[in-house]
Amino acid sequence: AQSVTQPDIHITVSEGASLELRCNYSYGATPYLFWYVQSPGQGLQLLLKYFSGDTLVQGIKGFEAEFKRSQSSFNLRKPSVHWSDAAEYFCAVGSKAAGNKLTFGGGTRVLVKP
Amino acid sequence: NAGVTQTPKFRVLKTGQSMTLLCAQDMNHEYMYWYRQDPGMGLRLIHYSVGEGTTAKGEVPDGYNVSRLKKQNFLLGLESAAPSQTSVYFCASRPPGGNEQFFGPGTRLTVL
Repeated sequence: AQSVTQPDIHITVSEGASLELRCNYSYGATPYLFWYVQSPGQGLQLLLKYFSGDTLVQGIKGFEAEFKRSQSSFNLRKPSVHWSDAAEYFCAVGSKAAGNKLTFGGGTRVLVKP
Repeated sequence: NAGVTQTPKFRVLKTGQSMTLLCAQDMNHEYMYWYRQDPGMGLRLIHYSVGEGTTAKGEVPDGYNVSRLKKQNFLLGLESAAPSQTSVYFCASRPPGGNEQFFGPGTRLTVL
């Protein structure tokens, strides 16, 4: 069975500082990997996704993520955080073998200090 | 395109009451999903459908039923609501051959 772990429940970062959110997954074959963002009271918006190819993926809002097969990780990064990045971030894994059903991590809530 | 819409946005029920949540999508997607979101647990799959007239159980199906009578609609029913079903419910859809799921805005349900 596939599983996703986001080790950090909360992260506080100063505006303008860099941000890295950790995601570790467990799955035997090559997974599809996703990062979603959820602003307060809103639905989920896709930030970026990895299916194959280049392991460094660029997304919207200046975010990027790197797939590291050896570490079973798909960490999300942003070089300079804006106050509007305060939200909850979810990593998810899917696969063709699992019928493209998604398994989500528990989420990381990001607070941005002025 | 409205994308994925959910009704209602908010609902409060008493234990034992029943209700139906409606998910509608106008993107002609084959696949549709119902998730529940609880603090610290991310989203968990309740039921899903791979096409009109078909449904299947997800990770946490107990206490819920679903129907997909029309391709564009996916209904989630609670026959006898329990406080443990207090949650935010999200619907999503996906086109055949695609890997990305598109989410609705959610329904916040409180069961007293």
